[in-house]
Amino acid sequence: SQQGEEDPQALSIQEGENATMNCSYKTSINNLQWYRQNSGRGLVHLILIRSNEREKHSGRLRVTLDTSKKSSSLLITASRAADTASYFCATASNNAGNMLTFGGGTRLMVKP
Amino acid sequence: GAGVSQSPSNKVTEKGKDVELRCDPISGHTALYWYRQSLGQGLEFLIYFQGNSAPDKSGLPSDRFSAERTGGSVSTLTIQRTQQEDSAVYLCASSAYTGGSQPQHFGDGTRLSIL
Repeated sequence: SQQGEEDPQALSIQEGENATMNCSYKTSINNLQWYRQNSGRGLVHLILIRSNEREKHSGRLRVTLDTSKKSSSLLITASRAADTASYFCATASNNAGNMLTFGGGTRLMVKP
Repeated sequence: GAGVSQSPSNKVTEKGKDVELRCDPISGHTALYWYRQSLGQGLEFLIYFQGNSAPDKSGLPSDRFSAERTGGSVSTLTIQRTQQEDSAVYLCASSAYTGGSQPQHFGDGTRLSIL
């Protein structure tokens, strides 16, 4: 079963605009990760934020984590057509194993 | 550098047949995971291997599903007596497990279609 929901399910923006995707989860976590998936390909790890962190940056990516609300957001700034993909949040629980529980994903389309 | 490799990339088979899916993790990665991605269920965890420990099979949907990891490296996921609901993309991932907070590296998956 999926950990939570991602919002929106689909997002269409123009190149140069910012894209914000939100993720909610249900149980306590060790960390939260964001992955990207291009059509027909596997998932590519983007960024990992630990439960004791509130914000993290990587290039044009900014991730926030609010453990009190059990939610996270991914911001992609100055989007490019090449950012078109599906984006998934995934949580790793405090149990051993670090297996990931995924949200339903956001399909992002960036129009040139 | 070599990433996670999965084979075959596509598999079409008749209902009732057995299938084997293979995963070659990144060299040196001790943790290996199998996930399934389908339209109806999204991305689901199936099974996890860590070193020589007993695997965590808690995500396997039925006893028709099994997996092995030989020599701590290559893994094979076997589905016996396939059903149409087994149609999905089967993804393998590996990570350098050091206690929890490590990213997972995914292969491109095997797209399984059951006729």
